[in-house]
Amino acid sequence: NAGVMQNPRHLVRRRGQEARLRCSPMKGHSHVYWYRQLPEEGLKFMVYLQKENIIDESGMPKERFSAEFPKEGPSILRIQQVVRGDSAAYFCASSQPGLAPLEQYFGPGTRLTVT
Amino acid sequence: AQKITQTQPGMFVQEKEAVTLDCTYDTSDPSYGLFWYKQPSSGEMIFLIYQGSYDQQNATEGRYSLNFQKARKSANLVISASQLGDSAMYFCAMREYSGNTPLVFGKGTRLSVIA
Repeated sequence: NAGVMQNPRHLVRRRGQEARLRCSPMKGHSHVYWYRQLPEEGLKFMVYLQKENIIDESGMPKERFSAEFPKEGPSILRIQQVVRGDSAAYFCASSQPGLAPLEQYFGPGTRLTVT
Repeated sequence: AQKITQTQPGMFVQEKEAVTLDCTYDTSDPSYGLFWYKQPSSGEMIFLIYQGSYDQQNATEGRYSLNFQKARKSANLVISASQLGDSAMYFCAMREYSGNTPLVFGKGTRLSVIA
């Protein structure tokens, strides 16, 4: 049973380019969460999605960032016109639908470097 | 609003000794879960242990135990018989269960195990 998959593991972009980060949840999981970890910091929540729905995007920057979780395929976190401050590790987590407690299983993360 | 505080930026422990990593939290929700994650230098987030707010007994998982003091709002992680492989960042996190809320993380404690 494969865990949460994220790709790419490392991504280098020049300022102004677009970054696309992918997350495939664990089998049977329909809830996906994206978190960002700046250097020497804890993880900060960005967005929570279910299939075809954004449930909570209160942690997403208002501009340049978007996320989707289509009916088929992985969840995508998209960052347009990247800036140096976007350099961070981006983690995806998935959980099952149902009642709490809902343990979140984390992927290995994507390390984005903006040059 | 949820809040997690880890007051120890770094800790040292001798191999084979026990160590306690502190975590205090703040929430007005009576129903919540507390989690500890380990992040080694390779970067992945490894789930260690979970404590529910209504659990009567402290959680234990192998060498990990959670010292849950609800009245003091503390959820300290105890690692017994430390091993060199325990050297890593450790994050305390909380999730409220009134709605599908995301995990809120502390800033982490860097544990170094000395031979």
